[in-house]
Amino acid sequence: AQSVAQPEDQVNVAEGNPLTVKCTYSVSGNPYLFWYVQYPNRGLQFLLKYITGDNLVKGSYGFEAEFNKSQTSFHLKKPSALVSDSALYFCAVRVGRGSTLGRLYFGRGTQLTVWP
Amino acid sequence: SQTIHQWPATLVQPVGSPLSLECTVEGTSNPNLYWYRQAAGRGLQLLFYSVGIGQISSEVPQNLSASRPQDRQFILSSKKLLLSDSGFYLCAWSSKGTDYGYTFGSGTRLTVV
Repeated sequence: AQSVAQPEDQVNVAEGNPLTVKCTYSVSGNPYLFWYVQYPNRGLQFLLKYITGDNLVKGSYGFEAEFNKSQTSFHLKKPSALVSDSALYFCAVRVGRGSTLGRLYFGRGTQLTVWP
Repeated sequence: SQTIHQWPATLVQPVGSPLSLECTVEGTSNPNLYWYRQAAGRGLQLLFYSVGIGQISSEVPQNLSASRPQDRQFILSSKKLLLSDSGFYLCAWSSKGTDYGYTFGSGTRLTVV
């Protein structure tokens, strides 16, 4: 069975400091990994994805994520946090390239709070 | 370009009343469509998904139903709302057979009173 774990419900960081939001996954097959961000009372917005190739993926708003196959992790990172980065972040995994359904499995979400 | 529309943005309904939330996608054809519910601003619960017109799969038994009367239209319904149906409902679409993820609508905040 496919699953995604976000071990931290809450991450707090001071503005200007680096941030990391953790994600680990469990899949049978090659994973396709995604990060989404959600602002209050809004839909989820796509940040970045890993499909294949370079393990370091760069996305929107200065975020990046590193795919680590041996540790089955896909942590989201940013070198310098902004107050405006405060939001709910979701990691997701998809299995089955070219599958008809292409279903994503989401983690429970991590609330990131950046303090000024 | 593709867009997804979801309405209404907010809804307050009395217990026992019916519900109809609508989601439409533009700029693509034969999408996969999904309804999610998010309670208390946290995890996403997949309610229904559809790979084609009239094809609906339900993930959890509940007081809700879904229909797909047209290729790019996905409707979430209830005959009689319960207090526990309150939440934030999100519609999403994805392409078949690609590496893309989901594109989400802006959501509907439903409060059952």
